Amino acid sequence: DVKVTQSSRYLVKRTGEKVFLECVQDMDHENMFWYRQDPGLGLRLIYFSYDVKMKEKGDIPEGYSVSREKKERFSLILESASTNQTSMYLCASSWTGISYEQYFGPGTRLTVT
Amino acid sequence: GENVEQHPSTLSVQEGDSAVIKCTYSDSASNYFPWYKQELGKRPQLIIDIRSNVGEKKDQRIAVTLNKTAKHFSLHITETQPEDSAVYFCAARNTGANSKLTFGKGITLSVRP
Repeated sequence: DVKVTQSSRYLVKRTGEKVFLECVQDMDHENMFWYRQDPGLGLRLIYFSYDVKMKEKGDIPEGYSVSREKKERFSLILESASTNQTSMYLCASSWTGISYEQYFGPGTRLTVT
Repeated sequence: GENVEQHPSTLSVQEGDSAVIKCTYSDSASNYFPWYKQELGKRPQLIIDIRSNVGEKKDQRIAVTLNKTAKHFSLHITETQPEDSAVYFCAARNTGANSKLTFGKGITLSVRP
């Protein structure tokens, strides 16, 4: 059974703080993704990675960076959190070429005050 | 890049009736079209998908149809039940996208008992 976990379910941070969100998958997936989910806007891709140390910008990368030092772990970094980054953040992972199904983590509800 | 739109944004049906959710996509190179279901407070999960070389796929009460000429695909749910109430996301992937999916904004389906 595929398992994708995220470091926190709920997080409250102050404006200007550096925030780390971590995602771990246990299925040896090549691809990992970070999305943010806002009401009425669906799932918007922030960054994704198709291999260790590789990353590509998604649709809304501004204000975010990522790190993938190990295959199973993909981190999302908010260098200086702002109130407009208050959102639900979802991590996902998938294989390459075998199946395109993305397996999602439970999400992190981030509030920036 | 790819643009995926869903219509309508909300849908309410009586239990036992059928529901149809439609999506359009913009990139004719897209070749894989999944549907994800997200129940309240839970993570999105794949429920059915279709590849561009197939026109229709069924799995029990759900089916997906694809019209490549018109660039749209639809999710059909028959004999709806209260547990079908959820947000449904369609998505599209094209061959040059490194397994990246572009999601629609989601539709909230409510099944009235």
